[in-house]
Amino acid sequence: DAKTTQPPSMDCAEGRAANLPCNHSTISGNEYVYWYRQIHSQGPQYIIHGLKNNETNEMASLIITEDRKSSTLILPHATLRDTAVYYCIVRVGGYGGSQGNLIFGKGTKLSVKP
Amino acid sequence: GAVVSQHPSRVICKSGTSVKIECRSLDFQATTMFWYRQFPKKSLMLMATSNEGSKATYEQGVEKDKFLINHASLTLSTLTVTSAHPEDSSFYICSARDMQLRGNTQYFGPGTRLTVL
Repeated sequence: DAKTTQPPSMDCAEGRAANLPCNHSTISGNEYVYWYRQIHSQGPQYIIHGLKNNETNEMASLIITEDRKSSTLILPHATLRDTAVYYCIVRVGGYGGSQGNLIFGKGTKLSVKP
Repeated sequence: GAVVSQHPSRVICKSGTSVKIECRSLDFQATTMFWYRQFPKKSLMLMATSNEGSKATYEQGVEKDKFLINHASLTLSTLTVTSAHPEDSSFYICSARDMQLRGNTQYFGPGTRLTVL
């Protein structure tokens, strides 16, 4: 079973920031938080991942609470093309050969509206 | 991000036939590849993990004799659905992990839609 809890759906107005929450209260010290999204009938797209520090890239920002029990993915200026199912996944990460597998939960269906 | 391709993107076959799906990592070497299956309105389910040059590891409930996986090179893995039946109709998605350069991030292919008549 997935180790994360996400709201099943969210709406966001085009041009506004989309803040997608994720709870992972049982996260272990060596587990990273990964975010992927899946646009209808396509393969999942990697967005961002982090361990404990906040992360930012060209797609999004990831805010992880100090206790690491929850995180928020932020799309700063949502567009219609950001409409997708967003998956928050915790997984043993880092370098080397001991990474865990990506286990997908139900995700959050984000609908960006004009 | 890294590019993973799948071929074919869509296939329709008759019940009882076998179908092969190819997964390629185009700009990196993938020592580990993964196969997922997704039914309509459901999430992705991991079927198996394959390491280059060794036998695949199947998840519980996935029949290894029905879903044959070959990972013969660092850029190619194949999934063969043998003696396909209508209940095998699904969206099959492969994924590859770049061990060396990209922090072990896993990248996904565009998926293959299999319809068994």
